[in-house]
Amino acid sequence: DTEVTQTPKHLVMGMTNKKSLKCEQHMGHRAMYWYKQKAKKPPELMFVYSYEKLSINESVPSRFSPECPNSSLLNLHLHALQPEDSALYLCASSRDRGPKSPDTQYFGPGTRLTVL
Amino acid sequence: AQSVTQLDSQVPVFEEAPVELRCNYSSSVSVYLFWYVQYPNQGLQLLLKYLSGSTLVKGINGFEAEFNKSQTSFHLRKPSVHISDTAEYFCASDSSYKLIFGSGTRLLVRP
Repeated sequence: DTEVTQTPKHLVMGMTNKKSLKCEQHMGHRAMYWYKQKAKKPPELMFVYSYEKLSINESVPSRFSPECPNSSLLNLHLHALQPEDSALYLCASSRDRGPKSPDTQYFGPGTRLTVL
Repeated sequence: AQSVTQLDSQVPVFEEAPVELRCNYSSSVSVYLFWYVQYPNQGLQLLLKYLSGSTLVKGINGFEAEFNKSQTSFHLRKPSVHISDTAEYFCASDSSYKLIFGSGTRLLVRP
């Protein structure tokens, strides 16, 4: 089973709202990722969690706040977003063998976010 | 710095014809390469990967790719495409947790 699930599939929010995106995997992976993908562009890495600890933050604005409550779950809390934050948000996971031993990242279906 | 280049932004092809999607990488360290496919309004699905070993890698849906170190290439091929192969294809290289993506190639299969 190589499934990563994400909820919700679609989300529309105003600039003053607070919302959360959720990601779950049951493959025993210990590395989890958030990516942002704009239309007709490749995904851009936002955050990496390794063994539930934040290991990479790609200078993402503080209005995006990641959380990894356990090894299977990854959340992305959203607050005071801007219309330019509208995008497809992808979650991925992989086995964690350290930064010098990469492994395959498996992606979820994504959450389509629209900020009004 | 590591980089991945996909030379073609769009490749139109007729159904049942062969196709090659080109990918070149640059790296001074060990190379780990992937091809992902993204269907409209979906996430990325792994097609195949090269981590080590045989340079000819077979993936899902009849796709294969060949790792060529001298030409720093990892081109994706399929001998006969179907309408259902219409999608965006991303080549990627792994560098310390980070997937470095190419800009993507849209494969458009016409009947």
